[in-house]
Order: sequence, then structure tokens, then C-alpha cells
Amino acid sequence: GENVEQHPSTLSVQEGDSAVIKCTYSDSASNYFPWYKQELGKRPQLIIDIRSNVGEKKDQRIAVTLNKTAKHFSLHITETQPEDSAVYFCAAGYQKVTFGTGTKLQVIP
Amino acid sequence: DSGVTQTPKHLITATGQRVTLRCSPRSGDLSVYWYQQSLDQGLQFLIQYYNGEERAKGNILERFSAQQFPDLHSELNLSSLELGDSALYFCASSPATSVGYGYTFGSGTRLTVV
Repeated sequence: GENVEQHPSTLSVQEGDSAVIKCTYSDSASNYFPWYKQELGKRPQLIIDIRSNVGEKKDQRIAVTLNKTAKHFSLHITETQPEDSAVYFCAAGYQKVTFGTGTKLQVIP
Repeated sequence: DSGVTQTPKHLITATGQRVTLRCSPRSGDLSVYWYQQSLDQGLQFLIQYYNGEERAKGNILERFSAQQFPDLHSELNLSSLELGDSALYFCASSPATSVGYGYTFGSGTRLTVV
């Protein structure tokens, strides 16, 4: 089955700086790569996703890149704000998604 | 409100007991997924149902079982509960059996086994 690795497990950045979270996956059949944000005690929420026929996607301050050859994808958050503090999960799959282990992002005001 | 409804929100029970968690998917969604999230852990996939049929199975213990009913709601049954089963259990739904549409998660059921 699919195996998704996510790094780093924790990340602290100053407000206004950029944050980058990286994930690798193992199954070359995976064609869908969503990212979820989970605030403390709340449900995971989809923030952005990318499909295998696209190399990059942007939505305001968030961008995701995909390298299918290397089997890795990344989340980039620019101009970070305190409300970006949360746990971020990457995922990969085709019938169902497998989640990474999560990155706890702390944005320091 | 995400449209995915999970009940109950909280559940406290003793070891050895059996509980049932319920999930109503978002209107129009045919797939239901169950995930377990232990404290400070990731999301562990348990099982997927699509239109009443089991489609994929993850690391689900034999003490756990699930089903999806004709009205598409799903139930996760946990039996012979152990302390280690304490976790947040999420249900998610999506429109189809294949990915590409994103999952919508419910607010979860927090299970505490004492």
C-alpha cells in the first residue's frame, strides 16, 4: 500500500516568513495529493489539493508543488500569520488517501 | 458545519465494553471513510465504504467492525474496548469511490476508555 512520509514534524517560523512542508510517497499509481489543516481539537479541513497532471497550484498565500518523477510534493505558505498555526497533513492516493504523520506549524508573532 | 455529522461527540466507557459511533455523510456523498487519531498522532485509516459496500480496509482491529446502511449513514462498532482505543474517531465522506474530490471530515467522536 501507499506510504507517505512528511517532514518536518514541527516547524516554527516568525510571522511574515515562509513555511515549507515536504512529503514523499511510495505508490506511483497515486494521482491525488490533498493537504489538510487541523486546528487544535477540530476536524481536518482541506486547504488545497493537486492532481498528478499538474505540477503546481496556488491559492492566495498557499501553493503546492508536485514532482511525480521523484515522488514528492510540498506545501508552501508565504507571509505566515498567527492563524496559520495548526497541524498540517499531506496525503496521497488514488482510491483512498493515505495521510502523512503531520507537521505542527507554529507562527510566532 | 461541514455537512458530515458524527454522533456522539464525546463518549466515556469502561474497558471491555462495546460502543457504536455513527456518521451521516454529506448529502450526495456515497463514500464514507473512518479514521482513528490518537493523541498527537496522525490519521490512521480504518475502513472505507462506498454505497453500502466495503471498498478498502486499513489497520482495523478484529474487535472493530463497520457497515454502511441503505440511507448511506455508517456505523463503527468497537468492542472489547481497551485503554489504548482511546482516541478521536473521524468519519469523512466524498462523492465517489475514487479520490480527486477531497474528503469532508466530520467533527469527530472523542472516545475515552477508562
